[in-house]
Amino acid sequence: DQQVKQNSPSLSVQEGRISILNCDYTNSMFDYFLWYKKYPAEGPTFLISISSIKDKNEDGRFTVFLNKSAKHLSLHIVPSQPGDSAVYFCAGNSGGSNYKLTFGKGTLLTVNP
Amino acid sequence: SQTIHQWPATLVQPVGSPLSLECTVEGTSNPNLYWYRQAAGRGLQLLFYSVGIGQISSEVPQNLSASRPQDRQFILSSKKLLLSDSGFYLCAWSWTGGNQPQHFGDGTRLSIL
Repeated sequence: DQQVKQNSPSLSVQEGRISILNCDYTNSMFDYFLWYKKYPAEGPTFLISISSIKDKNEDGRFTVFLNKSAKHLSLHIVPSQPGDSAVYFCAGNSGGSNYKLTFGKGTLLTVNP
Repeated sequence: SQTIHQWPATLVQPVGSPLSLECTVEGTSNPNLYWYRQAAGRGLQLLFYSVGIGQISSEVPQNLSASRPQDRQFILSSKKLLLSDSGFYLCAWSWTGGNQPQHFGDGTRLSIL
């Protein structure tokens, strides 16, 4: 059972435009969500997180939106830059514990100059 | 600041051989430590986590084991590798307490021949 789904394996956008990466989850016990960015041959880098008590969290060019009723979250990158080209993973965590993150399979973002 | 080191970066091992992957964290004390695996075409899967020296919890029964001999050292081992053990192994750390992001090392690419 895939509890975190990233249905778009890839996304291509033009430099300067907005990138929107989507993630759906099925586990209603998740109360904390994270986005990671991963370059080839490197480990994932933490980008931004959101608690289930919020519906939006912003950090510079990155904004995460959470729609609990739809069990959906999205990551907006504005403006997109070529250096943002990477695989993006969303993850969920339940029960207030910080030990088990359930990851999606990732979305490859390509930002074209 | 905190840093996490994993080695080796790549490893090629024959079936049936033993395995030892090491991970160390600097700049923090009493972190939570994690081992993940990413198989080809799949998301990150939590294998083991540890909340303290000698305390290991296993998420997925398998051919692997983990140990934490020191506060900031986490070791992934196997006595006899299987072909199915191939994958990308990642170590991560986090602060204790709820809703904390996990921070990853650069991983080890393990190929079993």
